[in-house]
Amino acid sequence: QVQLQESGPKLVKPSETLSLTCTVSGGSISGYYWGWVRQPPGKGLEWVGYVYYTGDTNYIPSLESRVTISVHTSKNQFFLILSSVTAADTALYYCVKLGTGTIDFWGQGTLVTVSS
Amino acid sequence: DVVMTQSPLSLPVTLGQPASIFCRSSQSLVYDDGNTYLNWFQQRPGQSPRRLIYKVSNRDSGVPDRFSGSGSGTYFTLKISRVEAEDVGVYYCLQGTHWPGSFGQGTKLEIK
Repeated sequence: QVQLQESGPKLVKPSETLSLTCTVSGGSISGYYWGWVRQPPGKGLEWVGYVYYTGDTNYIPSLESRVTISVHTSKNQFFLILSSVTAADTALYYCVKLGTGTIDFWGQGTLVTVSS
Repeated sequence: DVVMTQSPLSLPVTLGQPASIFCRSSQSLVYDDGNTYLNWFQQRPGQSPRRLIYKVSNRDSGVPDRFSGSGSGTYFTLKISRVEAEDVGVYYCLQGTHWPGSFGQGTKLEIK
C-alpha cells in the first residue's frame, strides 16, 4: 500500500518561507491527486491544497496568495511552499493521497513551528 | 464554502455501549455524478487520521464492522455499535463533494 513521508525544516522564522517535501513509496505518483492538510496544535484539520500529477493545482482561497504545491514525478515526490509565514501557520502538516471525494492515505505528519 | 457541523464535540462512553456522532453540512453533499462524498476519519492519540468510512456508508478494509455510517443529503451519522478501548480518539467527518473540502470540528471520544 502507498506510504507517504513528510520532510523539511521544523522551525521557520516569521516572514520566511516554509518548504516541505512528501516522498511517496509503494506506488507511483502518476495518475493521482496529492495534497496537504494541516492541523494547528490542539485544533482541527484544514485543507491547504492539492496537485494532480500533471502539475494542475487547487488551493484554499485563504492561502492562495502564499502557497505553491508542485510535483516531481520522476522522484515520486511533491512539495509544499508557503511564503510569508506567521505564528498562525504553526501546525502539523500532513501530506495525503486523494481519491475521488476523499483522502485515501495520510503521512505521519511533521510539526512546523514558526518562531524567531 | 460548505460548513460541516459535528456533534457532540465530546463523547464519554462506557465500554461495550453504543455511540453515535453526527455531522450536518450547510448544503447538500450529493454530487453531479449522484454520489455523496461524505467520509469519516478516526485520529487516535499521537497518530495520523485514518479513514473509516467513505461515500457515507462504505467501510474501509480492516475497519471493524462495529463501525457504520449512514445518512443522506445534509445529515450523516457514524455509529459504533459497542465501544472498545481502542476506539478512543477524535473522529472527523470530511465532505469531498465541494472544493474546498471541509472537515467537521472533531468529536473526542473517551471512555467513562
